[in-house]
Amino acid sequence: EIVMTQSPATLSVSPGERATLSCRASQSVSSNLAWYQQKPGQAPRLLIYGASTRATGIPARFSGSGSGTEFTLTISSLQSEDFAVYYCQQYNNWPSFGPGTKVDIK
Amino acid sequence: QVQLVESGGGLVKPGGSLRLSCAASGFTFSDYYMSWIRQAPGKGLEWVSYISSSGSTIYYADSVKGRFTISRDNAKNSLYLQMNSLRAEDTAVYYCASLRIQLWPNWFDPWGQGTLVTVSS
Repeated sequence: EIVMTQSPATLSVSPGERATLSCRASQSVSSNLAWYQQKPGQAPRLLIYGASTRATGIPARFSGSGSGTEFTLTISSLQSEDFAVYYCQQYNNWPSFGPGTKVDIK
Repeated sequence: QVQLVESGGGLVKPGGSLRLSCAASGFTFSDYYMSWIRQAPGKGLEWVSYISSSGSTIYYADSVKGRFTISRDNAKNSLYLQMNSLRAEDTAVYYCASLRIQLWPNWFDPWGQGTLVTVSS
């Protein structure tokens, strides 16, 4: 089983600032990594797949990078609608998710 | 537009059974692989089960193997999850989700809104 970890658990950011979220896999997952956004009471929404490809309709302020075991989701300028929990998911093997990073307002 | 709507959740006693349904619309359901994913209250996401487009290939997470059964009816554009021998730790919101590319494993998109299953005496 591939274990995913995310840091930090909570990230406090002011609107307009840059947010950088990290995701680490316990073994290499190549570029088989997705990112999701989840707001309270809603289902997760796909943001990024293939580690760096934005899903349809996702704003350009969201970008993903990394490969192997280290990945990063960057939100270049946080908007009010971006405050949410973000999960990474590997699909190199049986799917597994990270515990999430909550991005809240500073 | 693509839509997935789950139903069938509720309160059930430990050891009991429940059948979840997921109604798909806005896309050719029979072309898509599908999965169930769950989220315990206040917790993260856990993949539960997968079924191929024809239903010929099925996988389960170890935590539910032998107790849950995934199935689909392509004529009815519906996905199902039969849950037996339910335990308190099965309490969660259950989401159905599709896989956009016919490749397993893969990312999940889109997701339904979820249905809550509570296992408690």
